[in-house]
Amino acid sequence: GDSVTQMEGPVTLSEEAFLTINCTYTATGYPSLFWYVQYPGEGLQLLLKATKADDKGSNKGFEATYRKETTSFHLEKGSVQVSDSAVYFCALREKDTGRRALTFGSGTRLQVQP
Amino acid sequence: GAGVSQTPSNKVTEKGKYVELRCDPISGHTALYWYRQSLGQGPEFLIYFQGTGAADDSGLPNDRFFAVRPEGSVSTLKIQRTERGDSAMYLCASSPGTGEGYGYTFGSGTRLTVV
Repeated sequence: GDSVTQMEGPVTLSEEAFLTINCTYTATGYPSLFWYVQYPGEGLQLLLKATKADDKGSNKGFEATYRKETTSFHLEKGSVQVSDSAVYFCALREKDTGRRALTFGSGTRLQVQP
Repeated sequence: GAGVSQTPSNKVTEKGKYVELRCDPISGHTALYWYRQSLGQGPEFLIYFQGTGAADDSGLPNDRFFAVRPEGSVSTLKIQRTERGDSAMYLCASSPGTGEGYGYTFGSGTRLTVV
């Protein structure tokens, strides 16, 4: 079955540091890939997405590139802020089977210190 | 409405009791999803509605769990004979359709605690 593996957290960085959160997946065919973010006390929000190989999703300074060869979708940001502190979830959804459910990773907590 | 609304935000119930969790999706969103999130884990799929019908209920853990969406808008997740292992955050999400690349809008969830 489908699965998503994320690096374990927490990831603790100083403000303006470079961020990478690793995500790899196993799926049938070539799924659509997503990053969701959960800020403290809030619901999950879509951060960015990519629907085919080599696509780059970007939003709010975050980027992730769909790498078919390595089945990865790593999240990056060049300079993090304290306000980026949250839990980040990588997720996939199959395209070829018609299954509409998202499969999530277990989440990575990011803590940014001033 | 402006967002996905879930009620109640918190529910404490005794083992063996019946509970109902409500989800009010964004107006006009035809697809509605239920997920369950245990502490420290990612959300796990339970059931998906397209309109009034359950298009995929493969994530429901057993026959104590049931969900309805009778008019294609509000949905209710029903749990019978609750067990302590049912304690989790229950999330609802909706999307405008099921086309490629659609992301969901999630509600803030209902935290269910079975004591």
